[in-house]
Amino acid sequence: GAVVSQHPSRVICKSGTSVKIECRSLDFQATTMFWYRQFPKQSLMLMATSNEGSKATYEQGVEKDKFLINHASLTLSTLTVTSAHPEDSSFYICSASSPGQGAYEQYFGPGTRLTVT
Amino acid sequence: DAKTTQPTSMDCAEGRAANLPCNHSTISGNEYVYWYRQIHSQGPQYIIHGLKNNETNEMASLIITEDRKSSTLILPHATLRDTAVYYCIVRAYSGNTPLVFGKGTRLSVIA
Repeated sequence: GAVVSQHPSRVICKSGTSVKIECRSLDFQATTMFWYRQFPKQSLMLMATSNEGSKATYEQGVEKDKFLINHASLTLSTLTVTSAHPEDSSFYICSASSPGQGAYEQYFGPGTRLTVT
Repeated sequence: DAKTTQPTSMDCAEGRAANLPCNHSTISGNEYVYWYRQIHSQGPQYIIHGLKNNETNEMASLIITEDRKSSTLILPHATLRDTAVYYCIVRAYSGNTPLVFGKGTRLSVIA
């Protein structure tokens, strides 16, 4: 089946620094990738949609200058949390989608837990 | 906003069938019902999806009512490893439309 990886799985950073999270589709080409975040005991919240080679579309309330998304290739998307603050601590999950992968086109990565101290 | 309503939590005895209900009374004709689950601190895992017919795969069965306003996910023989949050999602059959997650049902399988 289709596999999506994320790196790193966990990261701790200091307030004010930037953190980059990678999302890779390992065995298929993903024309679209989605980024979600999940706070403790809450559901997944969609942050943005990115299409390869295009600018990402952000959901209402998500700061595009703070959460930089790059989808430069069909197998890699990155999310950079700039000037991270403790309130950005969360579980970040990506998913990848591609036509032709079958009925369940959206495949999820294992998630990245970000802790900002 | 999520278009589905699910019970907040359910318990199920190990080895018994787990029946998870979902209401989606505003579902459109071109929308499918998807089920995903999320085990603690992991990414969501696809389980099954359907349009109007009942579906079965190696993981579960999906029963959709004739009016398509509700459905039930059935795990035939629940194990402890099935303890997770189960999400019922309606979405048009398109790879470029994101899945929108509601609050889901927290299923606890008890030994």
